Amino acid sequence: AQSVAQPEDQVNVAEGNPLTVKCTYSVSGNPYLFWYVQYPNRGLQFLLKYITGDNLVKGSYGFEAEFNKSQTSFHLKKPSALVSDSALYFCAVRDYNQGGKLIFGQGTELSVKP
Amino acid sequence: ETGVTQSPTHLIKTRGQQVTLRCSSQSGHNTVSWYQQALGQGPQFIFQYYREEENGRGNFPPRFSGLQFPNYSSELNVNALELDDSALYLCAGIRIDGYTFGSGTRLTVV
Repeated sequence: AQSVAQPEDQVNVAEGNPLTVKCTYSVSGNPYLFWYVQYPNRGLQFLLKYITGDNLVKGSYGFEAEFNKSQTSFHLKKPSALVSDSALYFCAVRDYNQGGKLIFGQGTELSVKP
Repeated sequence: ETGVTQSPTHLIKTRGQQVTLRCSSQSGHNTVSWYQQALGQGPQFIFQYYREEENGRGNFPPRFSGLQFPNYSSELNVNALELDDSALYLCAGIRIDGYTFGSGTRLTVV
């Protein structure tokens, strides 16, 4: 079965420092991976996706993610964190069964302090 | 503006009642899926519709049902509401280039 794991419930970073939010996946076949961000009482905003190609994917708001097939990881990164990046981040994988539903991780709360 | 609009934004219902949540797409997504996000959890897949037919369903009981209309708008219906149905319900329009989520409907069952 397809699955996604986000091993950290919370990540704390000082403003201006680099940030990493971790995600590992388990899929049969080639993975189709996503990162979404959620602000309080809001829906999910798309950050980036990996289908195929370059292992380093660039997305919105300066975020990027590194796909590592051998480690089955898709970590989200940003070189310099902003206080406004504080939010809930979800990693997801597309499950090609049942019409292509998304399977989400439990989420990681990112807190960026001034 | 995401191109997917959900209504209402908030709703309070009593246990045992029925509720209908709505989703409309401004971009003509011909596939729509619904997710339930309980507090502190990741979204869980409820079901998906393609050209007005259900083509995928998650682990939710039959009292969760849906419709998709010719204009690609969609409804999620929940009968016999339970306290555990309290959650944020998200609708996603799907095209070949990805998934676009609405802002969600916060349902509280009391």
